Parts: sequence; structure tokens; C-alpha cells
Amino acid sequence: QSALTQPAAVSGSPGQSITISCTGTSSDVGGYNFVTWYQQHPGKAPKLLIYEVSQRPSGVSNRFSGSKSGNTASLTISGLQAEDEADYYCNSYASTDTYVFGTGTKVTVL
Amino acid sequence: EVQLVESGGGLVQPGGSLRLSCATSGFTLSDQYMDWVRQAPGKGLEWVGRTKNKANSYTTKYAASVKGRFTVSRDDSTNSVYLQMNSLTTEDTAVYYCARARNYAFDVWGQGTMVTVSS
Repeated sequence: QSALTQPAAVSGSPGQSITISCTGTSSDVGGYNFVTWYQQHPGKAPKLLIYEVSQRPSGVSNRFSGSKSGNTASLTISGLQAEDEADYYCNSYASTDTYVFGTGTKVTVL
Repeated sequence: EVQLVESGGGLVQPGGSLRLSCATSGFTLSDQYMDWVRQAPGKGLEWVGRTKNKANSYTTKYAASVKGRFTVSRDDSTNSVYLQMNSLTTEDTAVYYCARARNYAFDVWGQGTMVTVSS
């Protein structure tokens, strides 16, 4: 199972919106609505931001939203804030009853 | 409070073995799927394996990179999950996280334990 493809880096100014893409195949992202997104600050454990493509767990800011079209999922961060500077990973359930993570995207707030 | 605490990491020689533990609290372990995820230094996250819950006969699944070498197990009576790692190589050097899985998402994570494979 190959890693899902994410851009290595995305940046934006405070208050702007940015979108991170996550491209897989019909055997993972395209085949199931079980795409999740995680935020990871340096030296910390990942934190769940989005599950089932677009659902937010309790306590996660509504500035984070998710969507999917075909084999590509996306995470949008609206109203970018300094605290959003972190690494972001997508993940998808796959046809082999396993999971695959994305390559990761470093978000920089300018 | 739901909490996961990993332990057992350390330095091991190539070809050696190590057993990681994950102590859980704040929820009923027997109801949950539990997974292991690792992260090599400076690299991304990699799913390692899982143990399903009691209702699903504690079935296990593994990533191709560790299948046949790693074993995930659990003891619901002591609220613990384990990762037995055999035939370790330098490629297995990573921080290993224990995570609870719900709705096909890893909703709770431990702080991680570092495994270094080196001679």
C-alpha cells in the first residue's frame, strides 16, 4: 500500500484560507468515506481533526473542514492562525482492511 | 479521562526483539479496536497494525512492512495492549504510538515511545 500523496508544504498569512490535498486510489480514498486528518505539532502526538471525510470531533475548531472528490480528499483551514503552524497528515481505510497515511504537509503561517 | 501510556522503548541491536506496552485507562478496552502507528525520525506517520475488539474475536491486521515480524496483542483484564517486535532492522527505528480506533479514526493517542535499532 503506497502512501497517499500530499503537498510537502503549504503556507498562508494570518486570516487567510489554505487547502491541503490528499490523493490516493480507488482502493483507499476513492473507495471509502473513511478519510481522517491529523494535526501534529513538533515533538507531540498527532491530534484527530476530521473523521469520515468531513466530520469534526467535539472540541475541534470549525475553522477546519474536510471534503472529498473521487480519489482526492482535502482539508481546508479557514482564518489561519499562528497556532495552526504544524504538520498535517491524511489517512484512509483501505481495501486490504488496513490503513494508509499521507506523506504529510508542513503548514507555515507567514 | 481517557489516557494511553506507552512504555518499553529503548536501544536494541539489529536482529533483536522488543516488546512495547500501552497502558489504557478511562474507557472499556474490550469494546475498542487498538492500533499502533510509528514515525521514523524526521519522517511521516506509518500505520503498523491493529487488534480488533472482543466482539470481533480480537482479529489482528498488519502493514506489509511488519507482517510476520510484529505481533499485536492485548490483555483486557489489565487494560493493556502490546506490540511484540522481532527481527528488528534499522528501518524500524521510530517513535511508536498506541492509538484507540473508533469510527475508522484514531481518536486518542499516547505520547509515544522511542525505539532505536542500532549496533
